[in-house]
Amino acid sequence: DVKVTQSSRYLVKRTGEKVFLECVQDMDHENMFWYRQDPGLGLRLIYFSYDVKMKEKGDIPEGYSVSREKKERFSLILESASTNQTSMYLCASSLDRDRGHTEAFFGQGTRLTVV
Amino acid sequence: AQSVTQLDSQVPVFEEAPVELRCNYSSSVSVYLFWYVQYPNQGLQLLLKYLSGSTLVESINGFEAEFNKSQTSFHLRKPSVHISDTAEYFCAVSRNQFYFGTGTSLTVIP
Repeated sequence: DVKVTQSSRYLVKRTGEKVFLECVQDMDHENMFWYRQDPGLGLRLIYFSYDVKMKEKGDIPEGYSVSREKKERFSLILESASTNQTSMYLCASSLDRDRGHTEAFFGQGTRLTVV
Repeated sequence: AQSVTQLDSQVPVFEEAPVELRCNYSSSVSVYLFWYVQYPNQGLQLLLKYLSGSTLVESINGFEAEFNKSQTSFHLRKPSVHISDTAEYFCAVSRNQFYFGTGTSLTVIP
């Protein structure tokens, strides 16, 4: 089974802190994604990556950055956390797009609270 | 660009009654279609998918969805719901990215 693991289920951080959310997948997927989920807004794409050291902005990249130094790991960074970044963060991975997009596999999510 | 519309944000239904969760999408090109389910404080799990072939797809727990190209819809149905089906359901399409609807909260009432 594909496994996508997010390093934390719950996090509480203070305003202004630098926050790292880590995601690891074990199925050699090329594509990885970071979403945030808020009530009534569904899932919104923050960043995605099709390959190592490659990244592309999604719909709401402001206030975030990402890092993909290894194929299996995709990190989301909040440079200076703010209260409006309190949310559920979901990481996902999928097979290479040139071979056809199959489903996205999701981690368990990280519920981040910024105080 | 693709967009996904889930027409109902909340659907309450009595146990053993049928249910339909509606999903429409807009796309000028062929896409893949998915339904995901999310239980409280968990990530999303794939319920079923349409990639090609038969327009009616089924899941192992009794849900089915039908791809209707002319109406650009992919509605999810179950003939008889259980309490355990209470969850959030997301419709999604993919081309180069995944685009999700805003979700439908299904509540099954005993």
